[in-house]
Parts: sequence; structure tokens; C-alpha cells
Amino acid sequence: QSVLTQPPSVSAAPGQKVTISCSGSSSNIGNNYVSWYQQLPGTAPRLLIYENNKRPSGIPDRFSGSKSGTSATLGITGLQTGDEADYYCATWDNNLSAWVFGGGTKLTVL
Amino acid sequence: QVQLQESGPGLVKPSETLSLTCTVSGGSVSSGNDYWSWVRQPPGKGLEYIGYIYYSGTTKYNPSLKSRVTQLVDTSKNQFSLKLNSVTAADTAVYYCARIYCTGGVCSFDSWGQGTLVTVSS
Repeated sequence: QSVLTQPPSVSAAPGQKVTISCSGSSSNIGNNYVSWYQQLPGTAPRLLIYENNKRPSGIPDRFSGSKSGTSATLGITGLQTGDEADYYCATWDNNLSAWVFGGGTKLTVL
Repeated sequence: QVQLQESGPGLVKPSETLSLTCTVSGGSVSSGNDYWSWVRQPPGKGLEYIGYIYYSGTTKYNPSLKSRVTQLVDTSKNQFSLKLNSVTAADTAVYYCARIYCTGGVCSFDSWGQGTLVTVSS
């Protein structure tokens, strides 16, 4: 059971928007920055969002992040079939003194 | 752009020790902004943080694996390594090495190796 809770799957049609939630607690999300990772099938994870809402260079602005209290959200607009992947949130947990990942969310673009 | 490459045996027997090395290029393991980590992913499952090491040798391990994990850094070879002892089938996974880049108190896993599958089986 992951410390951070994500929905197992989400789906939407091409061109639409989808959001993926990541729920934690005061020991992790509530007091630390959240990052998001995209893992395309058969590949290593890739940093998508850091510091809750910032995009590394090369990440399109279709991807956005936000945080409120002990939850974070990844948003993807203008969905493309190439966005089909697993998405993970991550942050530091002060109680565990360790990084924690969400269980992952599989995005299907119908 | 820093690049990371995992290496090591793809098959380990139960009760033995899993040993992997990550070679860093395009950057230095001695960089003060970087922490060098291992993350694993069992087949069909999610990501699990194993631990990180700083160039000084400071480590932070996942509490659930702490009793079995050792991480070392070799600045002369620009490498860092993972040892996981007393392995079982539950340790079968793709093992990734990754850089945790920190600036201004903000950290994230910004560079990843391609991953290496380690199977625990007799």
C-alpha cells in the first residue's frame, strides 16, 4: 500500500483534458514539494513536473501541476495518444525520512 | 545532460546478494547539488524508492529495506552502487539508478538510467 494515493486508472478522448490526483498527509505532501513522472510503456520514468507546478525544459505546457493542502493534481490538456502512460507523484516524507511514490495512474486515451 | 547507466548480473539466487553499479557521465557524483538514488519496479507494479547516497557517503534508505541495503559511492570512477542482501523472489524488479537534483531546497528525480531487470531465481 503506497503512502501516496492515486487512482489506478483514468481515461479520456483525444483532445480532452484529464486530471490525476495524489493524496497524502501532513508528513509528506502537506509540507514538501511534489514532483510528477511519466513512464511510457517499456521505458524509464521521466520528470514531468517539479516543485508542485514547474515544468522542466522540453515538457509542453499541456502538462500542469498544482498542490493544495495534502493533495496534488496533475493536469493534461489536449490529450494525445502519445500521452498514454503511467503517471506517478512523489515527495519526501518527514516521518519516514524517505522519498515516497504514489501507486501510479494508468492513462488511457480512448 | 547527465546520463546514467546501470550494470550488473541479471540473475541472482535466493538468499544471495544483489549487486548493481551505476555509471554517471556528463556530470560528477561529487556535485554538491546531487543525490544518487536507486528506485525499483517489480513487474507490472509501481515505483519503490530504495535509497540515496551523497558524495560524502551520507545515505538515506527506505525503512522497509534498510536492514538489507548498502549504497556506496566511488568518486574516482564516477560511479555509485547498490547491494541488497538476502534476496527473495519479491526482490525481482527493474532497478533504476536516478539523480536527485536539489536547488534552493527543491529536489526531484531529474535523470534516470534505462533500468536493468534483476530476477531472483535458483
